[in-house]
Amino acid sequence: ETGVTQTPRHLVMGMTNKKSLKCEQHLGHNAMYWYKQSAKKPLELMFVYNFKEQTENNSVPSRFSPECPNSSHLFLHLHTLQPEDSALYLCASSQGGGAYEQYFGPGTRLTVT
Amino acid sequence: SQQGEEDPQALSIQEGENATMNCSYKTSINNLQWYRQNSGRGLVHLILIRSNEREKHSGRLRVTLDTSKKSSSLLITASRAADTASYFCAAGGGAAGNKLTFGGGTRVLVKP
Repeated sequence: ETGVTQTPRHLVMGMTNKKSLKCEQHLGHNAMYWYKQSAKKPLELMFVYNFKEQTENNSVPSRFSPECPNSSHLFLHLHTLQPEDSALYLCASSQGGGAYEQYFGPGTRLTVT
Repeated sequence: SQQGEEDPQALSIQEGENATMNCSYKTSINNLQWYRQNSGRGLVHLILIRSNEREKHSGRLRVTLDTSKKSSSLLITASRAADTASYFCAAGGGAAGNKLTFGGGTRVLVKP
């Protein structure tokens, strides 16, 4: 275990559904990240939070809405997704900035039907 | 364009053999990191080498960094079936900013 948990581990949703992914880190880190991993594509950074403040949004469509209520919790709210949004969504955390060692959760496998 | 690119994309070896994979990046960095990912799971940090270091060891792992060529290599010695995974390099800091930029990964299969 890396100290980063994600729920749910698997999610199937229709294009009109609204769902949320949850990430929690037990490491005392101050930075948290959402990544998207699609087949045959490099890991894509979506959002970065430092001390609960969003510091990066990599041109992510508004149907993905992040929320960081505190330094230990990170959510990704999903609504009206497209089939191409099907992917493994990974949460990570680090102490210090994003260029430091990152600890990843096991991911949520999302399928949009 | 992505910062880190691995070569080869896939590698198949026998247990006990060494596995070598390479990573190239495009801009200045503060560090270069290697991660492992078992199928459908999260990434696990393996090793970090700073831009002022040339070689680093951790157990059966050996990493080199050549900043003049903007390249790094990861060597896994005496491979085991449990080393079967995808390996990713990630360029940290420098011109890429305060984040990691990952390459596409090398899929390693170690046959028993």
